[in-house]
Amino acid sequence: GDSVTQMEGPVTLSEEAFLTINCTYTATGYPSLFWYVQYPGEGLQLLLKATKADDKGSNKGFEATYRKETTSFHLEKGSVQVSDSAVYFCALSSGGGADGLTFGKGTHLIIQP
Amino acid sequence: DVKVTQSSRYLVKRTGEKVFLECVQDMDHENMFWYRQDPGLGLRLIYFSYDVKMKEKGDIPEGYSVSREKKERFSLILESASTNQTSMYLCASSTTGSRNQPQHFGDGTRLSIL
Repeated sequence: GDSVTQMEGPVTLSEEAFLTINCTYTATGYPSLFWYVQYPGEGLQLLLKATKADDKGSNKGFEATYRKETTSFHLEKGSVQVSDSAVYFCALSSGGGADGLTFGKGTHLIIQP
Repeated sequence: DVKVTQSSRYLVKRTGEKVFLECVQDMDHENMFWYRQDPGLGLRLIYFSYDVKMKEKGDIPEGYSVSREKKERFSLILESASTNQTSMYLCASSTTGSRNQPQHFGDGTRLSIL
């Protein structure tokens, strides 16, 4: 079946550091890939998505590129802020849209001033 | 913007009680989902529905049931609550058509079973 693997953390960085959160997946066919973010006490918000190979999703300074050859969708940001502290989830959808997403276990990111 | 509203942010119930968690979305989405979120396990799909009165089991349906009598409302039911059902429950909705459509989440219900 489908699966998503991501580094679990916690990942602790200083403000303005470069961020990479690794995500790899296994899936049948050609899934769509997503990054969601969960701030403390809140539900999940879509951060960015990519729907085919070599697509780059971007939002709020975050980027991720759909790499089919390495089955990866790593999240990057050039300069993190304290407000980026949250839990980040990588997810995929390989069904027709009516099925649930398959999530990684989440990466807890802590940014220190 | 899509709004997914879960009826309670925090809920405390007792073992053996029948518990209802309610979710309403305002964007006429066809698909609705219930997940539970536990530390170290991420999000796991309990049930989903792609139409009124339709339901499908997810990865962990045991001990749960669902109801979808109206398109905008999707209820999760714990028939006889147990302590291992203490968790954060997240509802989501999406429009249909392709796997490109993201899911939109509510703020979650943190349920404690004593």
